[in-house]
Amino acid sequence: EDQVTQSPEALRLQEGESSSLNCSYTVSGLRGLFWYRQDPGKGPEFLFTLYSAGEEKEKERLKATLTKKESFLHITAPKPEDSATYLCAVQARSNDYKLSFGAGTTVTVRA
Amino acid sequence: DSGVTQTPKHLITATGQRVTLRCSPRSGDLSVYWYQQSLDQGLQFLIQYYNGEERAKGNILERFSAQQFPDLHSELNLSSLELGDSALYFCASSVDGRASYNEQFFGPGTRLTVL
Repeated sequence: EDQVTQSPEALRLQEGESSSLNCSYTVSGLRGLFWYRQDPGKGPEFLFTLYSAGEEKEKERLKATLTKKESFLHITAPKPEDSATYLCAVQARSNDYKLSFGAGTTVTVRA
Repeated sequence: DSGVTQTPKHLITATGQRVTLRCSPRSGDLSVYWYQQSLDQGLQFLIQYYNGEERAKGNILERFSAQQFPDLHSELNLSSLELGDSALYFCASSVDGRASYNEQFFGPGTRLTVL
């Protein structure tokens, strides 16, 4: 069974204080690793897809990287509007296309 | 705005009742996925439909069922509701559930409260 573990559970940052979120995964053949942002009471918002080890993607202050066992989401010089729960999910190379999600990391950025 | 719409936004009902949640995928998307999010379980995959046919099943209870119609909208039916069914239910859609390029875009969700 696919397993996704995210750490830390919560992260409190000062505005401008860069940090990284970790997503460790176990999957029998990775089709893709996905990062989403979720605000309270809202649907997850797609951020990135990573397909192979060594791949990196960037969007504004966010950068996602992928190795064979884990992915990192780096937040550079965060702003209060970056406060959200960040979810990591994996999709296996199988006949179904479900996403298996981690529990998320809740990031709070103080001004 | 992801382009995925869900109705209703909120639903409050009693134990033992039956409800229907509705989802319209993004224009052009053939796959629809249903997920349940509760505080203790996180986001859990329930079921996927592709172009009207069931493609994959996850941890979906027998009391729950879904279907996708010819216009590609989908409905999730929850029956004999229990207190533990209270959760956020999300619909997501993607272009094609078979391709490598398979980002899923989520709707705003339906919050179900069972009293």
